[in-house]
Order: sequence, then structure tokens, then C-alpha cells
Amino acid sequence: GAGVSQSPSNKVTEKGKDVELRCDPISGHTALYWYRQSLGQGLEFLIYFQGNSAPDKSGLPSDRFSAERTGGSVSTLTIQRTQQEDSAVYLCASSLNRAETQYFGPGTRLLVL
Amino acid sequence: DQQVKQNSPSLSVQEGRISILNCDYTNSMFDYFLWYKKYPAEGPTFLISISSIKDKNEDGRFTVFLNKSAKHLSLHIVPSQPGDSAVYFCAASGGGSQGNLIFGKGTKLSVKP
Repeated sequence: GAGVSQSPSNKVTEKGKDVELRCDPISGHTALYWYRQSLGQGLEFLIYFQGNSAPDKSGLPSDRFSAERTGGSVSTLTIQRTQQEDSAVYLCASSLNRAETQYFGPGTRLLVL
Repeated sequence: DQQVKQNSPSLSVQEGRISILNCDYTNSMFDYFLWYKKYPAEGPTFLISISSIKDKNEDGRFTVFLNKSAKHLSLHIVPSQPGDSAVYFCAASGGGSQGNLIFGKGTKLSVKP
């Protein structure tokens, strides 16, 4: 079956611009997560959606970061006024529900010049 | 403060021998542990997991051991194969993390033919 997909696979942007990253989770998975991996670092949790509940935004590094999940499926992570330190691989994962094994997409490599 | 630590950034092993990857954690409330494998330019791939009620879980060449008193887990790969060369991430959930995973920084395994 189809796995988690993310688009774009690569994104180069200029400092100060806004970017949108998209995630299509595995069909039927109610939980969706965003992580990012900066160079030489482990994966850092950003935000978590579970069904229709309010998302857990505790990992978002600043108010320039936001995310939505429409219709309980596709999610968009938006970074406003990008900074060079936002350069990282942004990974999306989904699971059947909370505390189940998470399956990751291939990631979006963001480079802010 | 890192809650999940992988103290060895790299490990080199000869093909056919055993690979042992180690992981330590600080939060005694973690109740579920996972290992993910990551190839360059791909998202992490789930490998094996263990619940805190167990001390061992085996799947083919992969075995995960959990020592709760020491807050330590390890992944054993035997026999190691060149295709196992990748970065291995240890992750934990529970303890108030609401299902999101807390990752270590990874260990790069190289299996030499």
C-alpha cells in the first residue's frame, strides 16, 4: 500500500520568504506528526495531530511555524519569514493512532539562503 | 537536556559479525522504545520495537534488549550485512510525550565486506 508522501522533496528559498510543506499520511491513520532533523542532530518533534483533537504544538520552535490538518488527512506545515536556521529536513510521520508505530515519509529538504 | 542518548556517533563492523548499537534514556516514564534505520535522502524506516513490559524482542537478525533498571537498550544485528550500513536512531515514547517520539542523535553503522 501507499506510504507517507511529502512534497516538495527539496525546497530552496530566500531568507524572509514563506514556505509550505505538504504531507499525505497513510490512509486510515489518525495520528500525524511533524519532525525536523537539522544537520548532525536527531529528529526533533514539532507538532502532533490526533483525529479531531486540538493539536499538540509544544515542539514548534517559534510562532513563525504553524501547521494544519484538513479533513483529518493531508497536513501542511507553514514557516513564515524563513531564517537560515530553519534549514533542515522536515519529516512527516503517521500512525494508526497514538502510541502505535510511526511510519515516516521521505522528508522535505529545506535550504534557506 | 537530552532524554534519549546514543553516545556512539559511529560504529564499524565486519560482515558476518555482530553489531551492537546502544541507547540510554533518562525518563523512567518512557514505556515504548523503537529503533529506526535511515538511509541517506530517505525517511527513517521502522525496524523493531519493545514495550517496557518486556526485556527482549526478536525479529530475524534483529534483537532489541531493554534493561529498565539501567535505563538502557541495545539493538543487536547478527549476522551483519553490508546492506545494514545506515544511521540507526533509537526513539522512546510515553512519559507525557503524548505519543510523539523522542529521538537520539543516531549511530552511523558501517558494515564492511
